[in-house]
Amino acid sequence: DGGITQSPKYLFRKEGQNVTLSCEQNLNHDAMYWYRQDPGQGLRLIYYSQIVNDFQKGDIAEGYSVSREKKESFPLTVTSAQKNPTAFYLCASKVTAGDKAFFGQGTRLTVV
Amino acid sequence: DQQVKQNSPSLSVQEGRISILNCDYTNSMFDYFLWYKKYPAEGPTFLISISSIKDKNEDGRFTVFLNKSAKHLSLHIVPSQPGDSAVYFCAAILFSGGYNKLIFGAGTRLAVHP
Repeated sequence: DGGITQSPKYLFRKEGQNVTLSCEQNLNHDAMYWYRQDPGQGLRLIYYSQIVNDFQKGDIAEGYSVSREKKESFPLTVTSAQKNPTAFYLCASKVTAGDKAFFGQGTRLTVV
Repeated sequence: DQQVKQNSPSLSVQEGRISILNCDYTNSMFDYFLWYKKYPAEGPTFLISISSIKDKNEDGRFTVFLNKSAKHLSLHIVPSQPGDSAVYFCAAILFSGGYNKLIFGAGTRLAVHP
């Protein structure tokens, strides 16, 4: 089955540590996105990528980094510079000229 | 600067009646508008979309209306069912500089009660 897989579903991080969230898609989509959702809030765009080896900062990129070495993969690293990393993280992908974006099931990151 | 706004955080509707969810936007260059439905701790699922060159799109119980002059769109659900209870997100796509930027509103929580 085609789709987007995010792993892990739950992730715990100690303060001061970097952590990487995985996002893999087998839909052959060019565009991929990372969003953050906080309780009672909408989806805020962290980073997005159109092609391999290229990506753009979204509205809240500070404290995050990404890579796009393969079309299928768009991992997000939450660095120690992110002051409030506890949130629900969602990855999405879509075809370049299309409208519908597909989402993974999300990763809940908790800083302990 | 919030480019996509959903000003009603919640909406309560009786089963069988119409649910109307509203969304406003500020950027007249958006190319597509979409509505997503989301349950807690899950990824959003796509419901319906509309191109900026159209003013209405229908899919079963869901209809989206676009008023470009008012920079406003709405999602109508008729008839509303208890299973429609969820958070609904409005989103917009901007094609710019070879990139597709996908921007979401804050969401509206819909509760459909018997």
